[in-house]
Amino acid sequence: DAKTTQPNSMESNEEEPVHLPCNHSTISGTDYIHWYRQLPSQGPEYVIHGLTSNVNNRMASLAIAEDRKSSTLILHRATLRDAAVYYCILRDRPSSGSARQLTFGSGTQLTVLP
Amino acid sequence: KAGVTQTPRYLIKTRGQQVTLSCSPISGHRSVSWYQQTPGQGLQFLFEYFSETQRNKGNFPGRFSGRQFSNSRSEMNVSTLELGDSALYLCASSRGAASSYNEQFFGPGTRLTVL
Repeated sequence: DAKTTQPNSMESNEEEPVHLPCNHSTISGTDYIHWYRQLPSQGPEYVIHGLTSNVNNRMASLAIAEDRKSSTLILHRATLRDAAVYYCILRDRPSSGSARQLTFGSGTQLTVLP
Repeated sequence: KAGVTQTPRYLIKTRGQQVTLSCSPISGHRSVSWYQQTPGQGLQFLFEYFSETQRNKGNFPGRFSGRQFSNSRSEMNVSTLELGDSALYLCASSRGAASSYNEQFFGPGTRLTVL
């Protein structure tokens, strides 16, 4: 699996935007970029995913570089509830009958300051 | 829609014993994956089941095994427990269909402590 590189930790002030970077220079053409986060004492939860174009959903936005070697998860207004470990994961395209496992790195610990 | 449920939530065992953990996926989801989370190794993939068949397996010894039933519920078993097996065991379910979405929904985990 292609690897991702993320900063170990980041801090943000409440109600300010947060940009979480991820480098994936060895990404292949069929790799999707997924983001999951893990809140304290909970299992990971899906945040967003994309292939080539920027993506938006109710939780966040995903900005993908034109060469796809890096991406940025954007939380538009951080809240205290967004404090979590954020994982950037590359995942090959799905096929019927297989979820294709997630390969987690160490992620970025996001601290949100009140 | 009920989420992924795992039982038990907490478990204490001693070395040499065996343990069985249970996972009930979201209704309609046919794929179940298991992960182990430890402070030292982070989240690591154990195996995935789809339609009662193991589809993928991570790099874990044969003491770790699993199965899936016809109703998609899954169990994982660890035999001859070692201290290093102490971890949070997470189950994730997915539709398993061919789509670009295929996100995995995680349960709260089972915290296993081996003494």
